[in-house]
Amino acid sequence: DVKVTQSSRYLVKRTGEKVFLECVQDMDHENMFWYRQDPGLGLRLIYFSYDVKMKEKGDIPEGYSVSREKKERFSLILESASTNQTSMYLCASSFLNIQYFGAGTRLSVL
Amino acid sequence: QKEVEQNSGPLSVPEGAIASLNCTYSDRVSQSFFWYRQYSGKSPELIMSIYSNGDKEDGRFTAQLNKASQYVSLLIRDSQPSDSATYLCAVFFSQGGSEKLVFGKGTKLTVNP
Repeated sequence: DVKVTQSSRYLVKRTGEKVFLECVQDMDHENMFWYRQDPGLGLRLIYFSYDVKMKEKGDIPEGYSVSREKKERFSLILESASTNQTSMYLCASSFLNIQYFGAGTRLSVL
Repeated sequence: QKEVEQNSGPLSVPEGAIASLNCTYSDRVSQSFFWYRQYSGKSPELIMSIYSNGDKEDGRFTAQLNKASQYVSLLIRDSQPSDSATYLCAVFFSQGGSEKLVFGKGTKLTVNP
């Protein structure tokens, strides 16, 4: 079974803090993705990566950056957290266009 | 703009009935279509994929694809309360060197005992 592990299920941070969300997959997938999911807005793609050290902007990259130093790990960085970044964050890896999701991190920025 | 549209619901059906979930998409060059199920507070999980016109059956689930009408649907036969979830339609678009999986906003299904 594909396993995508996100480092935290729940996270509470303060406005202005730098926040790191970590994601690790164990299936040697090339492609990895970060989404946020908000009620009424569905899944929105933040960034994705199709190889080590490669990254591409998704639909809502503003306020976020990513890092992919190793194939299995894809990190999402909030440089200076703001209250409008309170959301559920979902990481996924994919093979043959099928995406496998981690359990999600519910981030609250106070 | 590539779009995937779903009725947001909620869709409510009695236990044992057929639930019909629909999805339309805006681009003709799509080749891969997926249905994900997401329970409240959980992450999406793949339940069906379909790549060619027609029907694909897997247990109580049937996916139907009509590329000419740009329409994909999911039928759930003998609906159970455990099927209550949000169902996400996803379409893989590939055009002009750009590839992207686009999700609909989901349809919330409630199966009443």
